[in-house]
Amino acid sequence: EPEVTQTPSHQVTQMGQEVILRCVPISNHLYFYWYRQILGQKVEFLVSFYNNEISEKSEIFDDQFSVERPDGSNFTLKIRSTKLEDSAMYFCASSGVGANYGYTFGSGTRLTVV
Amino acid sequence: QKEVEQDPGPLSVPEGAIVSLNCTYSNSAFQYFMWYRQYSRKGPELLMYTYSSGNKEDGRFTAQVDKSSKYISLFIRDSQPSDSATYLCASPGGVSGGYNKLIFGAGTRLAVHP
Repeated sequence: EPEVTQTPSHQVTQMGQEVILRCVPISNHLYFYWYRQILGQKVEFLVSFYNNEISEKSEIFDDQFSVERPDGSNFTLKIRSTKLEDSAMYFCASSGVGANYGYTFGSGTRLTVV
Repeated sequence: QKEVEQDPGPLSVPEGAIVSLNCTYSNSAFQYFMWYRQYSRKGPELLMYTYSSGNKEDGRFTAQVDKSSKYISLFIRDSQPSDSATYLCASPGGVSGGYNKLIFGAGTRLAVHP
């Protein structure tokens, strides 16, 4: 069964450092997303991406965040200067088009900012 | 006002019990609804999605939507210890879905004990 692949599974970084989280969405999906889940809290939408541009972003997704699809398969989330409160699980997801779509999530990257 | 509300539990049941998990939503424009299962420190896994009111069955799982009361339910028959996880309800909100962000409930933690 097709899956969304995320790397690394766990990233530890020092406050103020830049991190890049990587995702390989399902190959025939057209919509890509990043969500995050702070420990014990609900899954929150960060950003959606379609046709090589951001289609929607949340209030969380400020200037410190950026997304990129550098080639035909990868989708990345960059945090320029990490803060302690960025510590969370970050999930990449992708979806297809039409009534029978399904949003498929990756296993996540656990980001720990120290 | 929270758009999707869900009792976080935890809910503890004996093996073989019928489990009922519930969500309410506030926006009558919501048309698609999904149930995800999330194991600890893993990504959400799509269990079922529904579009219209009524029931949808898949094996031991039945999803029910009552749009008149804005109520969503997931029933698990013959529950197994492997069903122990957090169950998330979600909706892409508006009419088309597909590219819309998912709005999640807080998740209900379920424990099925042998």
